[in-house]
Amino acid sequence: DTAVSQTPKYLVTQMGNDKSIKCEQNLGHDTMYWYKQDSKKFLKIMFSYNNKELIINETVPNRFSPKSPDKAHLNLHINSLELGDSAVYFCASSQRTGNQPQHFGDGTRLSIL
Amino acid sequence: SQQGEEDPQALSIQEGENATMNCSYKTSINNLQWYRQNSGRGLVHLILIRSNEREKHSGRLRVTLDTSKKSSSLLITASRAADTASYFCATDISGTYKYIFGTGTRLKVLA
Repeated sequence: DTAVSQTPKYLVTQMGNDKSIKCEQNLGHDTMYWYKQDSKKFLKIMFSYNNKELIINETVPNRFSPKSPDKAHLNLHINSLELGDSAVYFCASSQRTGNQPQHFGDGTRLSIL
Repeated sequence: SQQGEEDPQALSIQEGENATMNCSYKTSINNLQWYRQNSGRGLVHLILIRSNEREKHSGRLRVTLDTSKKSSSLLITASRAADTASYFCATDISGTYKYIFGTGTRLKVLA
């Protein structure tokens, strides 16, 4: 069974559109993250939720809105997509206490035309 | 920038040789982790070293941590073609829920 799964794997869309990426983890972790990896492979944190509460918001444009309906799910909605949003978006989860590692999904490759 | 630095950016070695990559960071940490990323895939956790540890081993992996120099190294011994991937360090920043990833080292192991 996949531990952290995100859908879709590929997303190709026009500039100005609105899109969502979904993430689910079955590891029982209490913390989930969204990361953006650019073309140079730099991985930067965008958001983090701990038990459905937003705990990290890294100066991401308001067009990006995360939503966590429960601690196993963290979705990312993006409004008015721009060319610069093209990247690979990774979802991850971890158990915050006790120095635990993060578990990553396989990413969603977003391409803006 | 809070981004950690890794060097080298790219490394190409023959199968059977050892590969060493280094990571430097900027702030106090709870722990430092190393991850591997195969092309087109997500990151996979390799090893975690706590701030009060100096060295850790896992199979063919050896990690060292020097908190006074804010640096860590990952050694892969007897490399295999399957070790070809990008390797990232990530620091768990004290007092936050934040992980800061390094810039990555692209390792290519030639058969």
